[in-house]
Amino acid sequence: GEDVEQSLFLSVREGDSSVINCTYTDSSSTYLYWYKQEPGAGLQLLTYIFSNMDMKQDQRLTVLLNKKDKHLSLRIADTQTGDSAIYFCAESIGAGNNRKLIWGLGTSLAVNP
Amino acid sequence: DTEVTQTPKHLVMGMTNKKSLKCEQHMGHRAMYWYKQKAKKPPELMFVYSYEKLSINESVPSRFSPECPNSSLLNLHLHALQPEDSALYLCASSPSFGRFMGELFFGEGSRLTVL
Repeated sequence: GEDVEQSLFLSVREGDSSVINCTYTDSSSTYLYWYKQEPGAGLQLLTYIFSNMDMKQDQRLTVLLNKKDKHLSLRIADTQTGDSAIYFCAESIGAGNNRKLIWGLGTSLAVNP
Repeated sequence: DTEVTQTPKHLVMGMTNKKSLKCEQHMGHRAMYWYKQKAKKPPELMFVYSYEKLSINESVPSRFSPECPNSSLLNLHLHALQPEDSALYLCASSPSFGRFMGELFFGEGSRLTVL
């Protein structure tokens, strides 16, 4: 089946690292994505990782992929209040024009000063 | 220009009204999407246009009618909507469909309330 799961809430202190986790069920995933949605705004693509990679780093963001366990994580270093948002994990499955994007329910990150 | 612009930002309409949502991008992207998002939920795909042709219609009721007049513009025509259609409607674009369909640039959305 096609399912992406995330924990719904995470609360961290400003300056700490945040780790948002995601698990997926479809082993044919090609790309996995992290999107951020701030209150009242659209979604913003933060980063993505190809399924043959196990790590990708981009400034404060580190994505780890464990393909064996079908586990994806997003680490935000030195978390700031501006990082407070909902973070959606999504996986791309299928090929060509039959590709689909399967979304998780989103993790609401609260950053406390 | 890396923006997707949506108008209007807010829309209130009655169940007998006809209105349209508009979306514009100037990034040269050849795939454009309409998504519907309810509060605290992930976006749900409604329609995909690829090279100005409708590629995907996710069994959306006919009271929603998409239109892609050219490669930069995407409209969503609304008629005889129901209160449960109240949601945030998000337009997105990507360089193309297929391989790039997950690399979406979203607009800020049009918040629709149906009375």
